[in-house]
Amino acid sequence: GAGVSQSPSNKVTEKGKDVELRCDPISGHTALYWYRQRLGQGLEFLIYFQGNSAPDKSGLPSDRFSAERTGESVSTLTIQRTQQEDSAVYLCASSLAGGSNYGYTFGSGTRLTVV
Amino acid sequence: DQQVKQNSPSLSVQEGRISILNCDYTNSMFDYFLWYKKYPAEGPTFLISISSIKDKNEDGRFTVFLNKSAKHLSLHIVPSQPGDSAVYFCAASGAGTASKLTFGTGTRLQVTL
Repeated sequence: GAGVSQSPSNKVTEKGKDVELRCDPISGHTALYWYRQRLGQGLEFLIYFQGNSAPDKSGLPSDRFSAERTGESVSTLTIQRTQQEDSAVYLCASSLAGGSNYGYTFGSGTRLTVV
Repeated sequence: DQQVKQNSPSLSVQEGRISILNCDYTNSMFDYFLWYKKYPAEGPTFLISISSIKDKNEDGRFTVFLNKSAKHLSLHIVPSQPGDSAVYFCAASGAGTASKLTFGTGTRLQVTL
């Protein structure tokens, strides 16, 4: 597609439930990133996929968080047993290749609210 | 540990004047710096970048200055326009982290008429 697409745009869930967030990167972009932004804070790196390489999961805050990517296409970020501190805007970005010099293109994000 | 800091959460500037947004970093391994702009309900969009081998990069109304010894960079917007009103994020990457950007907390710029 023309841009990075994320769904849903908004999600309200009850504490303890699992949620799945989806990201469709720009076609041909081999690198895909997940970030989140909690209220009043900067963008926090979560995970990075590059082609068929093992993902860099160093930013995932706990084992309740996981992400998958099918080839060089769609990625899903799953949060199990959601907690209120998981409330944030979850942003997906893609780029032509790994490396920030190419610039990221971000999606509009999924606003997750855990009540 | 906030490695990229934007100490001014907000800034208000009159239309036509210069806007100066500041960013400090602590990691000496960072060698590439970027500015992103974010409107409400949209993802951040890339604005301008600078490599550590330079001290200035200009693109139209936007100029980024880098002072490596002070670990400080700034974004100048001149003249400021109402459409520049947005949140601006500073970001950095470096050797070993080339694929990950570390972002600051953002500065909300309001350009008034």
